[in-house]
Amino acid sequence: GDSVTQMEGPVTLSEEAFLTINCTYTATGYPSLFWYVQYPGEGLQLLLKATKADDKGSNKGFEATYRKETTSFHLEKGSVQVSDSAVYFCALEETSGSRLTFGEGTQLTVNP
Amino acid sequence: DTAVSQTPKYLVTQMGNDKSIKCEQNLGHDTMYWYKQDSKKFLKIMFSYNNKELIINETVPNRFSPKSPDKAHLNLHINSLELGDSAVYFCASSLTGPSEQFFGPGTRLTVL
Repeated sequence: GDSVTQMEGPVTLSEEAFLTINCTYTATGYPSLFWYVQYPGEGLQLLLKATKADDKGSNKGFEATYRKETTSFHLEKGSVQVSDSAVYFCALEETSGSRLTFGEGTQLTVNP
Repeated sequence: DTAVSQTPKYLVTQMGNDKSIKCEQNLGHDTMYWYKQDSKKFLKIMFSYNNKELIINETVPNRFSPKSPDKAHLNLHINSLELGDSAVYFCASSLTGPSEQFFGPGTRLTVL
């Protein structure tokens, strides 16, 4: 079945550092890909998405590009802030169209 | 203007009790979901309903029973609670299909 693998966490950075969180996937066909973010004590919210190969999703300074050749969707941000501290989930929409498959989540802590 | 709401936010109860968690969405979405998030933040889908019809029923003990009285509500009833049921339970909804899901704030269930 379809699956998503994220880099192991937790990740701790200083403010203004560059962020990369790796995400690779296994799927039949070409699924849509997503990054969701969960701030402390809250539910998940969609951060960005890409629906086809070479698409770049972006939001709030975060970017991720759908790379079919490497089956990856890495999340990047050029300069993180303390307010970016959260858990980040990579996800794909299964080609059956019935559900999202989530990665295991990566805890990010940004220190001032 | 709450989109997806859950009640209660916290639930502390004894082993063996029966409890319910309620979920409502005012987004006009057709599909609703229940997820369980464990202490390591791993997110697992439990159930999904589309317009009151059950479409996903994962390998979940039959002590868990979802009920959808209408497409805006999806409740979760849990019988004979066990210690291992302690987790955060999230309700979510989407317009059609699973892609962009809107999550509720979560219900933290603690079984003593």
